[in-house]
Amino acid sequence: KQEVTQIPAALSVPEGENLVLNCSFTDSAIYNLQWFRQDPGKGLTSLLLIQSSQREQTSGRLNASLDKSSGRSTLYIAASQPGDSATYLCAVKEGGGNKLTFGTGTQLKVEL
Amino acid sequence: SAVISQKPSRDICQRGTSLTIQCQVDSQVTMMFWYRQQPGQSLTLIATANQGSEATYESGFVIDKFPISRPNLTFSTLTVSNMSPEDSSIYLCSVERWANNEQFFGPGTRLTVL
Repeated sequence: KQEVTQIPAALSVPEGENLVLNCSFTDSAIYNLQWFRQDPGKGLTSLLLIQSSQREQTSGRLNASLDKSSGRSTLYIAASQPGDSATYLCAVKEGGGNKLTFGTGTQLKVEL
Repeated sequence: SAVISQKPSRDICQRGTSLTIQCQVDSQVTMMFWYRQQPGQSLTLIATANQGSEATYESGFVIDKFPISRPNLTFSTLTVSNMSPEDSSIYLCSVERWANNEQFFGPGTRLTVL
């Protein structure tokens, strides 16, 4: 059974700092990995999708990497801003299925 | 990305009643899903809503409790039946883009059962 873990569970940083969020998964036979952000009481916003054959994806200040063999992904946020404050979720899709298995999330707070 | 709307956005219901949640997408999609997010938890897949056939439920979820309809490629409903306080959660629908299998989520329905 696939299990997805995110570390740290919570993170507080001053504005302008670069930061890394970690995601690990137990079964490396994944089809893709997706990073989402969730604002309090809201739905999920897709940030980045990495296919299993890719090593990284970039969008603006965000960069996600994938090391499938070791079961790890990182989300790098450059020059953090208070508007980045949210919960960040990673989710993996296993080969041969449609289900996304979600991590436990990292709650990020960027302070002025 | 797909534009997904859900109704209602929130509701407070009495124990033993049922609530039907609607999900509307602005374009035709093959794959639609229903997830549950219990307080303080991450998301768990309830079922895949199949157009023209019965939904495919994940382990721990049954049709009698969570009946799902998918009458066409842009619309689905999830009913939470015979509710108890343990059903208090955010319920989210999602769709998958055919081109690259990216999933997009609706804004969610926040359900409180008293």
